[in-house]
Amino acid sequence: NAGVTQTPKFRVLKTGQSMTLLCAQDMNHEYMYWYRQDPGMGLRLIHYSVGEGTTAKGEVPDGYNVSRLKKQNFLLGLESAAPSQTSVYFCASSTRDRLNQPQHFGDGTRLSIL
Amino acid sequence: AQTVTQSQPEMSVQEAETVTLSCTYDTSENNYYLFWYKQPPSRRMILVIRQEAYKQQNATENRFSVNFQKAAKSFSLKISDSQLGDTAMYFCAFKRMNRDDKIIFGKGTRLHILP
Repeated sequence: NAGVTQTPKFRVLKTGQSMTLLCAQDMNHEYMYWYRQDPGMGLRLIHYSVGEGTTAKGEVPDGYNVSRLKKQNFLLGLESAAPSQTSVYFCASSTRDRLNQPQHFGDGTRLSIL
Repeated sequence: AQTVTQSQPEMSVQEAETVTLSCTYDTSENNYYLFWYKQPPSRRMILVIRQEAYKQQNATENRFSVNFQKAAKSFSLKISDSQLGDTAMYFCAFKRMNRDDKIIFGKGTRLHILP
């Protein structure tokens, strides 16, 4: 099983450019999440989704948008990239069936904004 | 609001030694879940161990065990007979036991196992 797959793995953008990060999971999980990881800050939740067609804001949602048009995909968009968005981005998913189940993570996307 | 605190940003121990990583949390909830995740240099986070707050018995997974002190809101991770492959970032995490499925992560402890 592939689990959680993130594309791309690396990307360099110029300030003001836009891009979309794709997260795909093949575990039929209801919940999906986008985090950013910065040195000394741990993981901070950007947006999350509890089901197809639904999204919600996390701890640091400004400057990002998300969409969950299909259950298996969760897209994270940067409309106008800023240097402060340089980070490693992680997608995760989890099942609704048993609340003690952990999240399954992707390998991360390293994004640099110049 | 729930918070998770890991007071040790970085630790180093010799191979085969035992090491304990600290984690404290703050919540008004009575029922919840606690997790320890490992993030090796490859970056993908993997679950090490989990604990349900309603269980008094400390969870154990091979060389990994926890010391769960509910009254003190403490959830430390003990790694016995540490191995070079244990070198990683370790994150403590908290999840409430209700429909809200958000997980709160600590800032992590970077653990170095020295040969």
